[in-house]
Amino acid sequence: GAVVSQHPSRVICKSGTSVKIECRSLDFQATTMFWYRQFPKQSLMLMATSNEGSKATYEQGVEKDKFLINHASLTLSTLTVTSAHPEDSSFYICSARSAGLNSYNEQFFGPGTRLTVL
Amino acid sequence: GEDVEQSLFLSVREGDSSVINCTYTDSSSTYLYWYKQEPGAGLQLLTYIFSNMDMKQDQRLTVLLNKKDKHLSLRIADTQTGDSAIYFCAETLNAGNNRKLIWGLGTSLAVNP
Repeated sequence: GAVVSQHPSRVICKSGTSVKIECRSLDFQATTMFWYRQFPKQSLMLMATSNEGSKATYEQGVEKDKFLINHASLTLSTLTVTSAHPEDSSFYICSARSAGLNSYNEQFFGPGTRLTVL
Repeated sequence: GEDVEQSLFLSVREGDSSVINCTYTDSSSTYLYWYKQEPGAGLQLLTYIFSNMDMKQDQRLTVLLNKKDKHLSLRIADTQTGDSAIYFCAETLNAGNNRKLIWGLGTSLAVNP
């Protein structure tokens, strides 16, 4: 149980285009979803936290107009990288948490999406 | 501010024990976690410990928590080549209505045959 999927797993796009990444909780309802960015050989950088039905809370330094997050249902959140540039190339990982799933507040992680902007 | 620190690399021989260390700063953390990331993959929760515990054992894994020194360690007994991965220590941070994780940089464990 507690599986999180991401789609696509890998995307290559041209500079200036927008890319949408989907994160789905497959067998539980995710009251909160998190979007992370991971650079090579580095830790996860939390970009934003989204609660279903409300606006995402962005971390300091993350442009909300650049990285649009929508958490429209309890099983789906999307991250749209608008007007992507090569510096946006990275590994994007989502995670999901359910208030009622366990007592230790575990986040369940998707497999990640590798974005390459040419 | 909040900060989690780990050593970046560890190399062990197959069959030996591995010990990965982590220090954190937020004394109000309720849970501390160890996650494993294999190359090109997402993160998998290995184990966690509640802040009022000193030790937790789960098969080959032993977690030790020294709350006074804010030090967390993960011991992997009889380390196998399949244990080669990056291990992240994380602590919970209560931030308003959200609880978020603060991550270390990860320790890259290399297991040599």
